[in-house]
Amino acid sequence: EPEVTQTPSHQVTQMGQEVILRCVPISNHLYFYWYRQILGQKVEFLVSFYNNEISEKSEIFDDQFSVERPDGSNFTLKIRSTKLEDSAMYFCAATDRTVFGTQYFGPGTRLLVL
Amino acid sequence: AQTVTQSQPEMSVQEAETVTLSCTYDTSENNYYLFWYKQPPSRQMILVIRQEAYKQQNATENRFSVNFQKAAKSFSLKISDSQLGDTAMYFCAFTRSNNNDMRFGAGTRLTVKP
Repeated sequence: EPEVTQTPSHQVTQMGQEVILRCVPISNHLYFYWYRQILGQKVEFLVSFYNNEISEKSEIFDDQFSVERPDGSNFTLKIRSTKLEDSAMYFCAATDRTVFGTQYFGPGTRLLVL
Repeated sequence: AQTVTQSQPEMSVQEAETVTLSCTYDTSENNYYLFWYKQPPSRQMILVIRQEAYKQQNATENRFSVNFQKAAKSFSLKISDSQLGDTAMYFCAFTRSNNNDMRFGAGTRLTVKP
């Protein structure tokens, strides 16, 4: 299974602070995604990214969120001014060039906003 | 809009026995992909099995198999010879293609009892 890694594994921040979550795909990865999962709830789509552009985003992905892949490797999710309700598990996922349609998930970053 | 429904919030099974988790979905698409993901207490999302809608044959991965009924829009997961390590949340998921977001059901919490 093509491996996706994420850093940090845990992040604690104060409300109003900016956080950057990082995802490190491998060379075979094609599309990239961010999802979040609030504790006890279902996994929700945030955004998809292809060829250095956002290809799709959900209503959750408002102006507080942004994504980029600045150096061609790390794929980042930035939350500009965190709110208490941003506390969740954030998953990066990627599709592989050889296994069409399947998204492989990273281990997640557990974000806690105080 | 695509929706995924898992009607069993919790299930339990005795070790070594067989259990079936239910999933239904709604879509107007003809080609799509269906998945089951396992989420253990670590909260990592682990791909269990995938099914391409254009394939009539049900997917199988070792002890895991699916019953895919396209006309009924049903996609159940059968776990044979259940093991204690199968205890986890199981999410059914749907995606239209390689560059589309994945829609998840609410999950079924499976407990395997010794």
